[in-house]
Amino acid sequence: GAGVSQSPSNKVTEKGKDVELRCDPISGHTALYWYRQSLGQGLEFLIYFQGNSAPDKSGLPSDRFSAERTGGSVSTLTIQRTQQEDSAVYLCASSFGSENTQYFGPGTRLTVL
Amino acid sequence: AQTVTQSQPEMSVQEAETVTLSCTYDTSESDYYLFWYKQPPSRQMILVIRQEAYKQQNATENRFSVNFQKAAKSFSLKISDSQLGDAAMYFCAYRVLDSNYQLIWGAGTKLIIKP
Repeated sequence: GAGVSQSPSNKVTEKGKDVELRCDPISGHTALYWYRQSLGQGLEFLIYFQGNSAPDKSGLPSDRFSAERTGGSVSTLTIQRTQQEDSAVYLCASSFGSENTQYFGPGTRLTVL
Repeated sequence: AQTVTQSQPEMSVQEAETVTLSCTYDTSESDYYLFWYKQPPSRQMILVIRQEAYKQQNATENRFSVNFQKAAKSFSLKISDSQLGDAAMYFCAYRVLDSNYQLIWGAGTKLIIKP
C-alpha cells in the first residue's frame, strides 16, 4: 500500500512569511508524528497526534509553530513569521496502535532566505 | 532523561565486507524498543531493524543483525556483505515501551561503501 507522503518536497520562503507543510499518513494509522532534522543532526521531536488530538506538544520550539490533524488522517504543520533558523527538513511519520514502529515520509526541505 | 549516543560520525567499508556501527543509550527504564533507521540521500527514513528490550535474542533481517547488550546499554548494527546501496546515514533510536510517541535519536553515522 501507499506509504507516508509529504508535500511540498521543497519549500523556499522569505523570512517573515508563513508556511504550511502537509503530511498524509499511511491509511489506518492512528498515530502521527512531526520531527525536524537540521543539517547534519539527528531528529528533533516536535509533536505527536493520536487521532485528532495532540497529547504532547512539548517539542514545538516556539508559539510560531502549530499543527493540526483532521479526520484522523491528514496533518498540517504551520510555521508563522518564519526565521532563518527554521530552515531544516521536516519529517512526518505514522504508526498503528501497539505495533509502535514509525514509518516515515520523504520530508519537506524548508529554506528560509 | 534518555539519551542515545553514536560515537562514529563516519565509517567506511569495502564492498562485500562486514561493518559494525556502534550505539549506546542511557535509560532507567527496563522495557523499551530500539531501532536502526537508514536515511539515504533521498531523505526517506527507512526502518532497518527493531529490537524489543525484553527479548534476549538479537534481531536479524537478512544481511543486517544487531548485538544487543542490555546490561551494557549497547545496541550495535552489523552489516554483512556490504553493498553500494547500503551507503547512507544510519540512525539509532530508542523509545519507552508504553509510550506511543517520540523516538529519541542518535546523531547518526555516515556509512561509505568503497567499490
